[in-house]
Amino acid sequence: AQSVTQLGSHVSVSEGALVLLRCNYSSSVPPYLFWYVQYPNQGLQLLLKYTSAATLVKGINGFEAEFKKSETSFHLTKPSAHMSDAAEYFCAVRGNNDMRFGAGTRLTVKP
Amino acid sequence: GAVVSQHPSWVICKSGTSVKIECRSLDFQATTMFWYRQFPKQSLMLMATSNEGSKATYEQGVEKDKFLINHASLTLSTLTVTSAHPEDSSFYICSASQGSNTEAFFGQGTRLTVV
Repeated sequence: AQSVTQLGSHVSVSEGALVLLRCNYSSSVPPYLFWYVQYPNQGLQLLLKYTSAATLVKGINGFEAEFKKSETSFHLTKPSAHMSDAAEYFCAVRGNNDMRFGAGTRLTVKP
Repeated sequence: GAVVSQHPSWVICKSGTSVKIECRSLDFQATTMFWYRQFPKQSLMLMATSNEGSKATYEQGVEKDKFLINHASLTLSTLTVTSAHPEDSSFYICSASQGSNTEAFFGQGTRLTVV
């Protein structure tokens, strides 16, 4: 079965600093990977998706992620953190009949 | 586009009663819908996957007779928590997808409290 692992349950950065949230996947077939963001007591909002068209994927709010097959990774980055980026971030992998999530990473942005 | 509406956003019910949660795709046809349960400060736990017109596929450990899922149309899936108990209190989230290997769009979630 496909799965994703998020390294680091909590990441704290200063406003304006680089954001790096890590995600590694396990899949026997080319994976379909996603990053979602969740604000308190809300559903999830899609940030970006990888569907094999391009290895560097740009998403909303200045986020991007790079698919690296050799490292089985799909890390999420943003050059400059904003206070409004503070939230929970989830990496997900889509299978034929399921969609599974990593444990999540809580991003804190310090002023 | 790609809006998923989940209703109600919160519900309080008495122990032993049943609660129905609706998940609607408002502007697209959802061939697949997923139901998740989320505990505080934890990830989403997949409960079941439903494909329109078919029986839902439940994850191991999820009681299908307790969590009834119906996906009768391409825009509506429902989750009914039967004979609810306080331990069923949780945040339930649905998502909808137009096809296999595509993104899923999420509802706002339903906070269920069983007293």
